[in-house]
Amino acid sequence: QVRLVQSESQMRKPGASVKVSCKASGYIFGNNGITWVRQAPGQGLEWMGWTSPYIADTKYAQKFQDRVTMTIDTSTRTTYLELKNLTSDDTAIYYCARAWTISSFDPWGQGTLVTVSS
Amino acid sequence: HSALTQPASVSGSPGQSITISCTGTRSDVGGYNFVSWFQQHPGKAPKLIIYDVSNRPSGVSDRFSGSKSGNTASLSISGLQAEDEADYYCTSYTSSATVVFGGGTKLTVL
Repeated sequence: QVRLVQSESQMRKPGASVKVSCKASGYIFGNNGITWVRQAPGQGLEWMGWTSPYIADTKYAQKFQDRVTMTIDTSTRTTYLELKNLTSDDTAIYYCARAWTISSFDPWGQGTLVTVSS
Repeated sequence: HSALTQPASVSGSPGQSITISCTGTRSDVGGYNFVSWFQQHPGKAPKLIIYDVSNRPSGVSDRFSGSKSGNTASLSISGLQAEDEADYYCTSYTSSATVVFGGGTKLTVL
């Protein structure tokens, strides 16, 4: 079945960077993009951006434009999210999801908790 | 694009029907038929339940339905069941080629 498996939880200090991975299986990887969404503790879902392996395109939410990078390694079917210059406001669960259509995401990875604390 | 507007909470008794609204603008909900809905149970990843305004993925109960009128999309759930108690989020494609989420609605089954 279609599955997205994310890397383990990570802890970082303010000002540092974090890189989260998302490995896909069970479908033709080149047929769909990957979306990244985060959820701060007790808060709602926030779209961070999207990257596609088939048209080599990436789109970021304006809020993260200057400090986020999404990359894809098609040889390992793995997508990466890197977020730089972290603050405590970046403490959240980060999810990857297959972009099924342009605004619908299915399935989702299990989530990666990133904790930013001094 | 600001977050889409959803009611913070809705409630209903088992067997009843409820509707959750998702209001945006002509630059998102009103301009495109790319509205989706997600269900999220506590401690779990979200699950897609409606895509492209009114389509259900395979395996999603037909008790869930979606619609849109103008700048407002709606998710309806009929025959409420205890397992429907969850948070619900809408999304829409935007004129900036991005995606925006709604603030989320907590559904309580009384």
